[in-house]
Amino acid sequence: SQQGEEDPQALSIQEGENATMNCSYKTSINNLQWYRQNSGRGLVHLILIRSNEREKHSGRLRVTLDTSKKSSSLLITASRAADTASYFCATQGGSEKLVFGKGTKLTVNP
Amino acid sequence: DADVTQTPRNRITKTGKRIMLECSQTKGHDRMYWYRQDPGLGLRLIYYSFDVKDINKGEISDGYSVSRQAQAKFSLSLESAIPNQTALYFCAIRGQGGTGELFFGEGSRLTVL
Repeated sequence: SQQGEEDPQALSIQEGENATMNCSYKTSINNLQWYRQNSGRGLVHLILIRSNEREKHSGRLRVTLDTSKKSSSLLITASRAADTASYFCATQGGSEKLVFGKGTKLTVNP
Repeated sequence: DADVTQTPRNRITKTGKRIMLECSQTKGHDRMYWYRQDPGLGLRLIYYSFDVKDINKGEISDGYSVSRQAQAKFSLSLESAIPNQTALYFCAIRGQGGTGELFFGEGSRLTVL
């Protein structure tokens, strides 16, 4: 069963705008990770946030985690056409398994 | 060289055929995973292994088997392929501790006719 659910399923923006994607999950977690997938390619890890962290930054990426609401958001600032991809959240609870959501497909128009 | 290499990258086969997808890694990580990706369904875990003697079922293991031939090699087999096993298959690895990031291969696209 899926743990994380991304929202929206698809997002289309203009280059230079910010893109925000959300992830909701159902059970308690140890960490939450965001991955990026270019069409038909392997997933690439972007950022990991632990359950005791509230916000994390990496370059143009900002991730927040609200464990009380069981939700996370990924913000990409000043988006570029090259950011066009699908973005997945993945949660890790008590076991070592990572459970992935269905993804948000981001299109950045030049 | 890629950290995780999957072969074949593309395969078309017929119903009832036996198929093996292979995965090898160069990072020396002990944890290896096989995921399946279907459009609109995200990634689902098929099998995972923590070392050569440890194999565990994921959420959708029926119809699949795996073999961990060495620390660096983890293969996925479909003993008798069926059309609904048409999907994109990913191998992934993770380091000791099991709490960090996954490193993915480029995927094996399997079509079962």
